[in-house]
Amino acid sequence: QKEVEQNSGPLSVPEGAIASLNCTYSDRGSQSFFWYRQYSGKSPELIMFIYSNGDKEDGRFTAQLNKASQYVSLLIRDSQPSDSATYLCAVGGRGKLIFGQGTELSVKP
Amino acid sequence: DAGITQSPRHKVTETGTPVTLRCHQTENHRYMYWYRQDPGHGLRLIHYSYGVKDTDKGEVSDGYSVSRSKTEDFLLTLESATSSQTSVYFCAISESDPSADTQYFGPGTRLTVL
Repeated sequence: QKEVEQNSGPLSVPEGAIASLNCTYSDRGSQSFFWYRQYSGKSPELIMFIYSNGDKEDGRFTAQLNKASQYVSLLIRDSQPSDSATYLCAVGGRGKLIFGQGTELSVKP
Repeated sequence: DAGITQSPRHKVTETGTPVTLRCHQTENHRYMYWYRQDPGHGLRLIHYSYGVKDTDKGEVSDGYSVSRSKTEDFLLTLESATSSQTSVYFCAISESDPSADTQYFGPGTRLTVL
């Protein structure tokens, strides 16, 4: 079992819809959770992080964390074609940060 | 990419040759990292540094060595490049604890080993 798992996609949603990206992790000692966005040919850039159970909102983005289920998700409301990218989940704990393989999102006009 | 540069940005080399990639930061961050990114594998940590002359191995360190003689520079060396080391290499930095602090990435180096 991989330490951090994401569906590789591609996930295709129509413009204006909600995109839901999911990530599961295996280490119950994990304490910090990050979502990065990576456009094709570019480097990863941080979208948001979350440390506590529940929801955290930043503009059109909402991160949701459920430590009991070892699950973190990213919701993108009112998806735009410019949101088309690969989204990387990263999970931190015990002195290290582990990345998932990323989910490719395609937003169709 | 602000504050982090990588050189070269692209390199093609032959099997068995040594290769050195350079990461330079202007943020004065304590931690620096080297990752490789391959399809289906995401980002995997090669080595990291937690201070000048202080380095440690990551998940995929075999065949790689690193050095950090100044806060701002972190070098990754492939002593004898192999085709399996064809990849995109990213440098990253963080101010503190790699498991809790945001990491910021450089623009990447695309390395092809023929």
